Amino acid sequence: DTAVSQTPKYLVTQMGNDKSIKCEQNLGHDTMYWYKQDSKKFLKIMFSYNNKELIINETVPNRFSPKSPDKAHLNLHINSLELGDSAVYFCASSRATSGGYNEQFFGPGTRLTVL
Amino acid sequence: AQTVTQSQPEMSVQEAETVTLSCTYDTSESNYYLFWYKQPPSRQMILVIRQEAYKQQNATENRFSVNFQKAAKSFSLKISDSQLGDTAMYFCAFMRGNFNKFYFGSGTKLNVKP
Repeated sequence: DTAVSQTPKYLVTQMGNDKSIKCEQNLGHDTMYWYKQDSKKFLKIMFSYNNKELIINETVPNRFSPKSPDKAHLNLHINSLELGDSAVYFCASSRATSGGYNEQFFGPGTRLTVL
Repeated sequence: AQTVTQSQPEMSVQEAETVTLSCTYDTSESNYYLFWYKQPPSRQMILVIRQEAYKQQNATENRFSVNFQKAAKSFSLKISDSQLGDTAMYFCAFMRGNFNKFYFGSGTKLNVKP
């Protein structure tokens, strides 16, 4: 019954590797997001997809590539991992905004550690 | 650009007492929303309370209430009858209307002591 799920919850890898984090939502939402929470707990949006189209792309290195195979999934692929990529990554989803606000539901987070 | 500032990195409160967490924001927008999210040690982000900028009445959710001062751009969270389960990081967040992008503050770590 998990609304927004992420896999894996923990990921430990070496510098230079390529890794993916998967996100799935079963809420029927149109919009999905990736956030990064750094070691100081600062939370910042990275990407947003609406109906599989990219609508928000913050200043994120192009080593990060989101992929949305369908509305229910938004995966995050990271190439050539660096030490500074160590963080907790959160996926979230919401209905598409059509005036006003739609609540975002967050996944449990994936703690990525780059050694 | 929108900014959200939480000036209290950490706070403590005794169980059953009341605590207020501060948040200020800066924006030139007139249509926006403000939020408080709770992040317990489990890491899960949980929506605590939401305030629409066009509403003058302060939002309340059970033991949680806000003091929304629009002119001062202040949005504080009051937790009454604090419980041990309230121990968490609390994030203040801003969102422009019609645009689902959050701007988060740096968080306040709240410790509720027995």
